[in-house]
Amino acid sequence: QQQVKQSPQSLIVQKGGISIINCAYENTAFDYFPWYQQFPGKGPALLIAIRPDVSEKKEGRFTISFNKSAKQFSLHIMDSQPGDSATYFCAASAETSGSRLTFGEGTQLTVNP
Amino acid sequence: DVKVTQSSRYLVKRTGEKVFLECVQDMDHENMFWYRQDPGLGLRLIYFSYDVKMKEKGDIPEGYSVSREKKERFSLILESASTNQTSMYLCASRRVAGGYEQYFGPGTRLTVT
Repeated sequence: QQQVKQSPQSLIVQKGGISIINCAYENTAFDYFPWYQQFPGKGPALLIAIRPDVSEKKEGRFTISFNKSAKQFSLHIMDSQPGDSATYFCAASAETSGSRLTFGEGTQLTVNP
Repeated sequence: DVKVTQSSRYLVKRTGEKVFLECVQDMDHENMFWYRQDPGLGLRLIYFSYDVKMKEKGDIPEGYSVSREKKERFSLILESASTNQTSMYLCASRRVAGGYEQYFGPGTRLTVT
């Protein structure tokens, strides 16, 4: 059972455009929602994370939007660059689960020059 | 600088062989994790370890075992490799006082023929 559903599976965006990746979760005990970025040949690395007490968090061109009532959160990449081309994973964790992360299926983002 | 290393980047084994995947972290992290990454399925947790000699099953432990005799080293063991264990294996570590962030190694691409 996939507790965190991610879409789309792949995304192609033109340079300068906005990339949007969406995730939905089921477990209301989740209290931490990170996004990881993975480049080819590398392991995933934390990009940005949010807790449910805020609805939005922004770091540079990357923004997480969080909707607690809908149990959804999304990653927005503004002014997308070719260097942003990577696989993005959303994830969720609950304090009660001992820091285990549950990951979404992943989104392969390609930003064309 | 945070560093998680995995013993091999690529590994080819035959069906029925016993396979050892090694992971070492140099950050004195208490928690360590083994995931497998498959296209369209994201990262799935195989086993994790809270501390030395402690282990707990993840979501897909069948066919795998683990060993953690020293804090810095976490081994994943495939007792009798099968073709459906062909995958990318990722190791991660986490410092308990450092929040939920997990630090990943570069991965081992295992092919079982």
